[in-house]
Amino acid sequence: NAGVTQTPKFQVLKTGQSMTLQCAQDMNHNSMYWYRQDPGMGLRLIYYSASEGTTDKGEVPNGYNVSRLNKREFSLRLESAAPSQTSVYFCASSVIPGHSTNTEAFFGQGTRLTVV
Amino acid sequence: AQTVTQSQPEMSVQEAETVTLSCTYDTSESDYYLFWYKQPPSRQMILVIRQEAYKQQNATENRFSVNFQKAAKSFSLKISDSQLGDAAMYFCAYRSAYSGNTPLVFGKGTRLSVIA
Repeated sequence: NAGVTQTPKFQVLKTGQSMTLQCAQDMNHNSMYWYRQDPGMGLRLIYYSASEGTTDKGEVPNGYNVSRLNKREFSLRLESAAPSQTSVYFCASSVIPGHSTNTEAFFGQGTRLTVV
Repeated sequence: AQTVTQSQPEMSVQEAETVTLSCTYDTSESDYYLFWYKQPPSRQMILVIRQEAYKQQNATENRFSVNFQKAAKSFSLKISDSQLGDAAMYFCAYRSAYSGNTPLVFGKGTRLSVIA
């Protein structure tokens, strides 16, 4: 059982370049999320998707777009990378509350992105 | 909006001793979930323990236990018989139980060092 798989694990971009972070989960979860982690800031929500076909902004959505391709996959796109987007990015998935006692989020291994 | 506060950016403990990490949260809801995650240097987010707000009994998982004080909105993590492998960042997280999809809200984390 792979859980949540993110690619790539590391990436260096030049300012202005674009890229897409890929995420897939095989746990049949409805909900998926993208967080960014910065030193001293904890994990902050960028975007989330309650279910296939829906997406919503989180705390720090500026500069990002997302696509919920199907139930398994949720991608994060940086259209024009900026140094402020240097961070560690995590994809996560979970069940909807009330559908299971395991209401935690399951995380991918993270992507360390550096924008120079 | 809910907020989670971890007031101790860094903590240290001697091997085999006990340490308590603090977490407080702010919410007007009565039904929710609370979590502690561990993030070792590998960057992987690992669930340590979960607590359902409707349960009065404090959750325990081997050497890890929580002190859940609902009225005080406090959710501390106690690690007994600390081991070198417990050294990591620890994040407290909150999730509402009400909406169809509710992302986890994280605190800023506590870095725990274990001294041999």
